[in-house]
Amino acid sequence: QVQLVQSGAEVKKPGASVKVSCKASGYIFTGYYFHWVRQAPGQGLEWMGWINPSSGGTHYAQKFQGWVTLTRDTSISTAYMELSRLKSDDTAVYYCARDLGMIGEPKYYFDSWGQGTLVTVSS
Amino acid sequence: QSALTQPASVSGSPGQSITISCSGTSTNVGAYNSVSWYQQHPGEAPKLIIYDVNNRPSGVSNRFSGSKSDNTASLTISGVQAEDEADYYCSSYSRNSREVFGGGTKLTVL
Repeated sequence: QVQLVQSGAEVKKPGASVKVSCKASGYIFTGYYFHWVRQAPGQGLEWMGWINPSSGGTHYAQKFQGWVTLTRDTSISTAYMELSRLKSDDTAVYYCARDLGMIGEPKYYFDSWGQGTLVTVSS
Repeated sequence: QSALTQPASVSGSPGQSITISCSGTSTNVGAYNSVSWYQQHPGEAPKLIIYDVNNRPSGVSNRFSGSKSDNTASLTISGVQAEDEADYYCSSYSRNSREVFGGGTKLTVL
């Protein structure tokens, strides 16, 4: 079955960077887009961007352009999200999620999710 | 401020039907049949329950259904059960922002 397993919780100081990993199993890694979504404590969901794990192509939500970097390592079926210049309001749970449709164009439906990674930004 | 507007909370007794609305604009909900709904229990990741306005992924109960009229989408849960108590989020493709979410609705089963 499809599984997405994320790296563990992180505590970072303002201005630092964080890199979260998402290891996929149970399907062909390069066959589906990956998205990243975050959720601040007690708040709603916020879409950050996607990566095409086959080509490495990316698209970011306007808010996150220049600030988030999505990458992948196909040899270990793992996607990464790196967020730089952290601020306190970046404290959130960060999720990776697989797109519902196979590679072509992303459908923006997230049918499998990682367990989430809590990133806490505090001085 | 979320791009899509949902009621903060709804409630219903077991067996009742409840509907959650999701109000957008002509650049998102009104422009595309790309509305989805997610269910999130406390401490868990969201779960896709509706996509393409009214399609259910395999394994999702047929008690969940979706619809859309103009700029507003709706999720209906027929015969609500205790296990349905959760937060529900709508989402839509957006001309400007690609993907936008609603602020979420907390369903309480009385």
